[in-house]
Amino acid sequence: DTGVSQNPRHKITKRGQNVTFRCDPISEHNRLYWYRQTLGQGPEFLTYFQNEAQLEKSRLLSDRFSAERPKGSFSTLEIQRTEQGDSAMYLCASSRPQGTEAFFGQGTRLTVV
Amino acid sequence: AQSVTQPDIHITVSEGASLELRCNYSYGATPYLFWYVQSPGQGLQLLLKYFSGDTLVQGIKGFEAEFKRSQSSFNLRKPSVHWSDAAEYFCAAQNNAGNMLTFGGGTRLMVKP
Repeated sequence: DTGVSQNPRHKITKRGQNVTFRCDPISEHNRLYWYRQTLGQGPEFLTYFQNEAQLEKSRLLSDRFSAERPKGSFSTLEIQRTEQGDSAMYLCASSRPQGTEAFFGQGTRLTVV
Repeated sequence: AQSVTQPDIHITVSEGASLELRCNYSYGATPYLFWYVQSPGQGLQLLLKYFSGDTLVQGIKGFEAEFKRSQSSFNLRKPSVHWSDAAEYFCAAQNNAGNMLTFGGGTRLMVKP
């Protein structure tokens, strides 16, 4: 399977703990995106990478959130000192250099208790 | 501000009936437009996209959508709904730079036998 892969699929954590999610994009895609989706809502843009450069960040991405894409391949999204409001589905997507069609992974569902 | 509106939160149709899901966008210029489908607990699958040209676009699973510039709309249609079409449907718009998608709130489709 050469689709976008996200791990873990589910994560339950206690409030105040740190969590990290991983996204492996489709191999020839140089653009990578993170979105957050809360229950009953559409996905909201968090951040975007072109190769290893993080080019845009939403105001939704507070100081507790950090994303990296160290070698322009996989990406990680870390949330520090989690809060109950961080409970959501975190979606990763990737796209080709010249194309604009984004392919999404299955998502990581985070529950903060 | 850029926005995408899906006026119908829930729609129920009988199996075999026709379907139309509404989508309106508000952008400075004509954006790229997409329809995605999401099954419970899953990521997003692209149904179809509009970049330019023919305003009636065909997608997968028998879906089509029509771009109407005068109405700022991009409605999704299917002539005959199948029970397996029950899911959440998201309309999305993207600026020409291709660096983020703006999603509508989604329409949950239920199919009656």
